[in-house]
Amino acid sequence: AQSVTQLGSHVSVSEGALVLLRCNYSSSVPPYLFWYVQYPNQGLQLLLKYTTGATLVKGINGFEAEFKKSETSFHLTKPSAHMSDAAEYFCAVFNNAGNMLTFGGGTRLMVKP
Amino acid sequence: EAGVAQSPRYKIIEKRQSVAFWCNPISGHATLYWYQQILGQGPKLLIQFQNNGVVDDSQLPKDRFSAERLKGVDSTLKIQPAKLEDSAVYLCASSFGQANTEAFFGQGTRLTVV
Repeated sequence: AQSVTQLGSHVSVSEGALVLLRCNYSSSVPPYLFWYVQYPNQGLQLLLKYTTGATLVKGINGFEAEFKKSETSFHLTKPSAHMSDAAEYFCAVFNNAGNMLTFGGGTRLMVKP
Repeated sequence: EAGVAQSPRYKIIEKRQSVAFWCNPISGHATLYWYQQILGQGPKLLIQFQNNGVVDDSQLPKDRFSAERLKGVDSTLKIQPAKLEDSAVYLCASSFGQANTEAFFGQGTRLTVV
């Protein structure tokens, strides 16, 4: 069985500050890992993904995430927050053994001016 | 390229009524997912199709929910009868399949059961 835990259902940062959204996963096989963003009344949009190779993955809108197998983590970061980054962020894990894409509970990012 | 299309965008029904949602995946995508997203929670997988076959429906409440994927393309998700706790956004997603795991999502159907 696989699962995803996102620490902190709400994160608030000031504009220009570092964004750090935490994600830990459990999987019995090497996972594929994803971060999705959801704006109000919209579907989910892929930010970035890790499948194989380099463990530091760069995505859209200046976000990046690092796969750390020893810590079973895939935290999302952005050096400087913009007001437009305010949204809900979801971490997800997919493994070929289960053929399932499983989501965490989400973290709502708020950006203060 | 057209994205995943879902309809309707919004639906309000009374409990015990029936409702159906429709999804048209991206052309060529073999895998189709239906997720239920309750307010404040992450999406929960209801059912996954590979072409017109069911890969996983372990979390689908089969006493009231049903889904089909006609000819391996469009899909419909039905709830009969609806309960108050079914109020949620129903998201459809599609992907090429196991070799390409990126899923593309539709905008969802927001269901309110009163």
